[in-house]
Amino acid sequence: DGGITQSPKYLFRKEGQNVTLSCEQNLNHDAMYWYRQDPGQGLRLIYYSQIVNDFQKGDIAEGYSVSREKKESFPLTVTSAQKNPTAFYLCASSTASGVSSYNEQFFGPGTRLTVL
Amino acid sequence: QKEVEQNSGPLSVPEGAIASLNCTYSDRGSQSFFWYRQYSGKSPELIMFIYSNGDKEDGRFTAQLNKASQYVSLLIRDSQPSDSATYLCAVNISGGSYIPTFGRGTSLIVHP
Repeated sequence: DGGITQSPKYLFRKEGQNVTLSCEQNLNHDAMYWYRQDPGQGLRLIYYSQIVNDFQKGDIAEGYSVSREKKESFPLTVTSAQKNPTAFYLCASSTASGVSSYNEQFFGPGTRLTVL
Repeated sequence: QKEVEQNSGPLSVPEGAIASLNCTYSDRGSQSFFWYRQYSGKSPELIMFIYSNGDKEDGRFTAQLNKASQYVSLLIRDSQPSDSATYLCAVNISGGSYIPTFGRGTSLIVHP
């Protein structure tokens, strides 16, 4: 079965703690993404990576960090510097695309993070 | 700021009617346009994509693109209660990275 997995499904964090959200894909996709979704909002891009050992900040990278040591894996760490981390976090992947290419994103099931 | 705008709704239609969802975008260089469906508490799933002006049909779904007016729409014919969800418009803006920008989504309610 090809797809994207995220774990855990639910995560609770105390203030001041760092937590890491897992994202794994077996679709052989080059590009991976992390989004944050707040109630009634669209998806906001946190970080993305188009190749192993390289990643770029998205629109709301402050308070987050990522790594891309393997093609299949793109974990996201929510640090204590992120002041309002309660949200639904979505990981996605796609084939890397060039100019004028169709570039569908496939999403994992999401992790719901709550700060206690 | 390159933007993608959607009416948040909710859009309420009776079962069997046509639901029309609209999306406007600010970047004239945008090249690819996607419609995702997201059920409450779930992740988005792609239902349509379009990159040429005109209409594209897939079953009960039709995507319409008008680059001159900078809008893309999604029509759902014979709407069913199972179509009740939030529909997200995503646009691949120009600039090389082709990371999609998402609208806030339109909530659709199909009532029996």
